[in-house]
Amino acid sequence: DSGVTQTPKHLITATGQRVTLRCSPRSGDLSVYWYQQSLDQGLQFLIQYYNGEERAKGNILERFSAQQFPDLHSELNLSSLELGDSALYFCASSGRGTGANNEQFFGPGTRLTVL
Amino acid sequence: AQSVTQLGSHVSVSEGALVLLRCNYSSSVPPYLFWYVQYPNQGLQLLLKYTTGATLVKGINGFEAEFKKSETSFHLTKPSAHMSDAAEYFCAVSTDTGRRALTFGSGTRLQVQP
Repeated sequence: DSGVTQTPKHLITATGQRVTLRCSPRSGDLSVYWYQQSLDQGLQFLIQYYNGEERAKGNILERFSAQQFPDLHSELNLSSLELGDSALYFCASSGRGTGANNEQFFGPGTRLTVL
Repeated sequence: AQSVTQLGSHVSVSEGALVLLRCNYSSSVPPYLFWYVQYPNQGLQLLLKYTTGATLVKGINGFEAEFKKSETSFHLTKPSAHMSDAAEYFCAVSTDTGRRALTFGSGTRLQVQP
């Protein structure tokens, strides 16, 4: 158990819909990262938050957005869903400091299926 | 920008045999290198990482990796494979410049035959 929790574990929805994925980082971790894992794109970095502020953006679509709340949990919002958005979405957290050498602890993921 | 190439999407070894999973990276600045393991229906778990200092890094479950700057490589090895090592392995790189998130390779699925 990494200490990172993600809900829900599975999500099935239809094209055009909007969903919210939730992540609670390890106690004391200030950084939250979101990654998407799909068969055709592999593991891709989407976005990072540090202590409530956006720190870095990766290959995140404009239809996707995220935020980190004062209690440090984070939500990833996916809207106008398309079939190609079906994937496993991981959240990871790392400790104090923003060094790239910090270990990231991964949650179990949310499997999104868009029908 | 950095990138990672993992040679071999599938590797099969016999139980007790040497495990060698290959990773080459590209980075214009000093990299931090990581190996993660993903078991079926689970998240990623860190096996080991190289930041600075000793180039031979030992990790969990008997795995180790050697950072070779001249070859831009960070291959993962284990002297003797166990059935429980069957999983997908990801090599990743990050740096202290630009965005600091992990850039992953495409992964190598390790099968261990009895």
